[in-house]
Amino acid sequence: DADVTQTPRNRITKTGKRIMLECSQTKGHDRMYWYRQDPGLGLQLIYYSFDVKDINKGEISDGYSVSRQAQAKFSLSLESAIPNQTALYFCATSDGANQETQYFGPGTRLLVL
Amino acid sequence: GDSVTQMEGPVTLSEEAFLTINCTYTATGYPSLFWYVQYPGEGLQLLLKATKADDKGSNKGFEATYRKETTSFHLEKGSVQVSDSAVYFCALSDSSSGGSYIPTFGRGTSLIVHP
Repeated sequence: DADVTQTPRNRITKTGKRIMLECSQTKGHDRMYWYRQDPGLGLQLIYYSFDVKDINKGEISDGYSVSRQAQAKFSLSLESAIPNQTALYFCATSDGANQETQYFGPGTRLLVL
Repeated sequence: GDSVTQMEGPVTLSEEAFLTINCTYTATGYPSLFWYVQYPGEGLQLLLKATKADDKGSNKGFEATYRKETTSFHLEKGSVQVSDSAVYFCALSDSSSGGSYIPTFGRGTSLIVHP
């Protein structure tokens, strides 16, 4: 079984709708991250959490919110989706040790019409 | 702030050709350096890493050497295969940001290998 899972894998929604993307991990890591990937732009950090009570904004947090329900669960919400939020979204984890290797989920492909 | 610059793709090669993907970085501290690979339809996965100057990371025939004097971490492979077709990301992790080690990624380089 995969260590980092994301649901759904694909989602089509309409402008103005609220949607939630979910991430679960079995690696036992404290740190979790949400990234957005757009073609040619690499990865952009949306939010990150170093433990259940710690939530931090990344470089592109506007229009997004997150919830860390447990050590193993970190969800990303789009309160009112807009077309330019169409992208591939990745969840990742790390163990907080030196060097910070990241472990990624398979991604959620989101299309906002 | 920290930044990573890698060569634009796509890089198109024939099978068994030599591969180089250039990566240079800017960092205020003493970063660790990484290469991640993203196969079609999948998330990123660590390919190799190096944590200090002159270290060489290697995995699956790929190598990269941490060159502090040129602030570079170029990815190389002597003989690519069709199965190496993927997007490759250079990244750094730097403790200077209050010890947070939040990684910085390059924009990715697409590699296409033809039979």
